[in-house]
Amino acid sequence: RKEVEQDPGPFNVPEGATVAFNCTYSNSASQSFFWYRQDCRKEPKLLMSVYSSGNEDGRFTAQLNRASQYISLLIRDSKLSDSATYLCVVKGDSGAGSYQLTFGKGTKLSVIP
Amino acid sequence: DVKVTQSSRYLVKRTGEKVFLECVQDMDHENMFWYRQDPGLGLRLIYFSYDVKMKEKGDIPEGYSVSREKKERFSLILESASTNQTSMYLCASSLMAGLWEKLFFGSGTQLSVL
Repeated sequence: RKEVEQDPGPFNVPEGATVAFNCTYSNSASQSFFWYRQDCRKEPKLLMSVYSSGNEDGRFTAQLNRASQYISLLIRDSKLSDSATYLCVVKGDSGAGSYQLTFGKGTKLSVIP
Repeated sequence: DVKVTQSSRYLVKRTGEKVFLECVQDMDHENMFWYRQDPGLGLRLIYFSYDVKMKEKGDIPEGYSVSREKKERFSLILESASTNQTSMYLCASSLMAGLWEKLFFGSGTQLSVL
């Protein structure tokens, strides 16, 4: 069974703090990686894709370590609006000739005033 | 912007009833998916479809079937609802299969089976 593991949290951080989430995946043949964000009682939405060279989008930085099979998400200068659950998502060979997304269970972040 | 619409936000059904969950997307996407989301278990794939009249089983297809007669519509069917099918059901679509495909989700249907 191909798994994606995340610390469920919750992470409670003050506004302005820097917070980092890690995610590990078991399938070494995984090909692509993502972070989705899910607000309370809402649907998941793509936050960012995670490329081999790492990538940054404003206050958000995503990194991939293929050798250790983990993905990280760093949020700098946390805002109240960053409070959400962050889902780590990995795409790899499902073993049935097709590629499927596997979702982690999510890490809950609460940013406190 | 892509819109994925699920027919009901909340649904209450009785054990043994046949339940239809409808999903429509308006961006001519090839791929459509049904997930369920449960506390502590995350999102699990039930069925997906890469083309009209085509379907493939996901990780937990037991107790479910699907129908895709038109490109924009993907229906999830619970032939005989059971209490363990109480869950949040999320439909999603993507433009085309590929390593970097982006999923667009509907707002979900919270189904309670009594």
